Amino acid sequence: TQLLEQSPQFLSIQEGENLTVYCNSSSVFSSLQWYRQEPGEGPVLLVTVVTGGEVKKLKRLTFQFGDARKDSSLHITAAQPGDTGLYLCATWTGANNLFFGTGTRLTVIP
Amino acid sequence: DTAVSQTPKYLVTQMGNDKSIKCEQNLGHDTMYWYKQDSKKFLKIMFSYNNKELIINETVPNRFSPKSPDKAHLNLHINSLELGDSAVYFCASSQEGLGADTQYFGPGTRLTVL
Repeated sequence: TQLLEQSPQFLSIQEGENLTVYCNSSSVFSSLQWYRQEPGEGPVLLVTVVTGGEVKKLKRLTFQFGDARKDSSLHITAAQPGDTGLYLCATWTGANNLFFGTGTRLTVIP
Repeated sequence: DTAVSQTPKYLVTQMGNDKSIKCEQNLGHDTMYWYKQDSKKFLKIMFSYNNKELIINETVPNRFSPKSPDKAHLNLHINSLELGDSAVYFCASSQEGLGADTQYFGPGTRLTVL
């Protein structure tokens, strides 16, 4: 059983479109992180959310933590080709153990 | 001034060989990790070390042996390589390893076993 299910698994959109990707679980988390991984590189942290209902914005990216702290979403406004990559949600399941979701592969077509 | 570096970037080898991947971090972090990313891009922790001591070993075959000579280095040695070991291996580090801590990843080593 996957602890963190992400959807959709693949997403291909045109430049300028909006999109939302989701990270869902049946477990409650104290915090949740979103990483972006570009081809040939390691994941890079985008944001950490810790409070139920919390919304954080990073330029055109909006992150929301569910009220019950079981799920999260990432919304991208006016997607750019530079947004292309693998988006991963993750949570610390214990000391020194970061568990990653199944990932969403986003392609933004110019 | 790369934060987490690993070598080599690419590694192609035959089944049965033994190989090592090196990792170094210059962030002064206490905890280092090895992750394996499979062909479906699922990223799974293999090991974590805190202050040179093994903290987590996630059901990894004992053909994989991490070694931490000091806090800044965590190398991965793999014996008797198998086809299923082909993947991208990422080294990472963090300061505390919990809560809102940030993981810093290396660029990855793509291992191909023929």
